[in-house]
Amino acid sequence: GAVVSQHPSRVICKSGTSVKIECRSLDFQATTMFWYRQFPKKSLMLMATSNEGSKATYEQGVEKDKFLINHASLTLSTLTVTSAHPEDSSFYICSARDREYHEKLFFGSGTQLSVL
Amino acid sequence: GDSVTQMEGPVTLSEEAFLTINCTYTATGYPSLFWYVQYPGEGLQLLLKATKADDKGSNKGFEATYRKETTSFHLEKGSVQVSDSAVYFCALTLGGNNRLAFGKGNQVVVIP
Repeated sequence: GAVVSQHPSRVICKSGTSVKIECRSLDFQATTMFWYRQFPKKSLMLMATSNEGSKATYEQGVEKDKFLINHASLTLSTLTVTSAHPEDSSFYICSARDREYHEKLFFGSGTQLSVL
Repeated sequence: GDSVTQMEGPVTLSEEAFLTINCTYTATGYPSLFWYVQYPGEGLQLLLKATKADDKGSNKGFEATYRKETTSFHLEKGSVQVSDSAVYFCALTLGGNNRLAFGKGNQVVVIP
């Protein structure tokens, strides 16, 4: 079946550094990518939606300058957490919508970010 | 806004036991409802869904019925197996474009 590869699975960084998370659709073209995050014991929350070649649309309360999303191709989207701080420590998951089968969503396995 | 609430805490049970995971939702319209499952080291996968009131989604022995009167979509399985150990997420659609709102997830551990 379709696979979304998300890397890294775990990252630990110092406060103030930037971290890039990649999501690749391995055997399908993803017109739309969704980025979620989950704080401990909290719901998985949608952060932003990105369409290939367009600027991402961010959910209310999500800082677009802090969470940079790039979706330059139909198989790759990246989320960059800029100047990360401990409060950004969270579990980040991407999801891709298949270009041909719009109702199908495929998820990455997630990235656990810990900011020291 | 639209949201999903799942019952608190992990669920630990013995093989062949009955599983129920509660899910309730708050929505202004008539969302579609989903259960996703995440096995260790893998991405979330769609387990089942229901698109309108009284619909029952089912897959792999799991069932959930869209109850509009109680705004619920509880997940059930009559006899769990060790291989059902995973995290289960309830979700609903946020308007169009496949945007979803998820609950916090429930870790299910099935003991042999």
